[in-house]
Amino acid sequence: EVQLVESGGNIIQPGRSLRLSCTGSGFKFGDFGMSWVRQAPGKGLEWVGFIRAESYGGTTEYAASVQGRFTISRDDSKSIVYLQMSGLQTEDTGVYYCTTDRAYSSSWFDNWGQGTLVTVSS
Amino acid sequence: AIQLTQSPSSLSASVGDRVTITCRASQDVSNALVWYQQKPGKPPKFLIYDASSLESGVPSRFSGSGSGTDFTLTISSLQSEDFATYYCQQFNDYPLSFGGGTKVEI
Repeated sequence: EVQLVESGGNIIQPGRSLRLSCTGSGFKFGDFGMSWVRQAPGKGLEWVGFIRAESYGGTTEYAASVQGRFTISRDDSKSIVYLQMSGLQTEDTGVYYCTTDRAYSSSWFDNWGQGTLVTVSS
Repeated sequence: AIQLTQSPSSLSASVGDRVTITCRASQDVSNALVWYQQKPGKPPKFLIYDASSLESGVPSRFSGSGSGTDFTLTISSLQSEDFATYYCQQFNDYPLSFGGGTKVEI
């Protein structure tokens, strides 16, 4: 059974940095691309970004709203994908989900973690 | 960026009703569109891929159709467990995008 567990969510002041982690199990982690999707309180879903499998260079894609501030990386030896967030803004508040994805091209999200809450507030 | 517009944003229905939700893309996405169901406090559940293919384990009362810019999600006979919010999402081009959601209420 595929399991994804996010961690690292916290209450943090605007302008600061935070790193989220997502640990995968029950599947061959290195064969998959991974994505992050977020949801502001009471709002809809927003795609944050995607990292390709290492076999495709582990390159990344990002939403315009986070480009240059957020960085996705992965450690396949630990089955972990990270979301490094810097220059956090109040609009970044929400639940952050990690999802499995296709190895090369982000498509749909058939496995989700339970999410981790990030609150950006002074 | 491709915008997805869902309608209606909410609807009221009864058990046994046929429900149709529409998702319109701002440009052609071919059949690169999927649907999710989300209940409060839970992550989304993947329902339909490639516009009309049912994910394994999803009840057959759910169906999807459309291509290009206009898509629909239909629930043929609404069950109590189907009261939730539904989202479409396109993967034709980056950035990936979601519709604003349709809340199906009793």
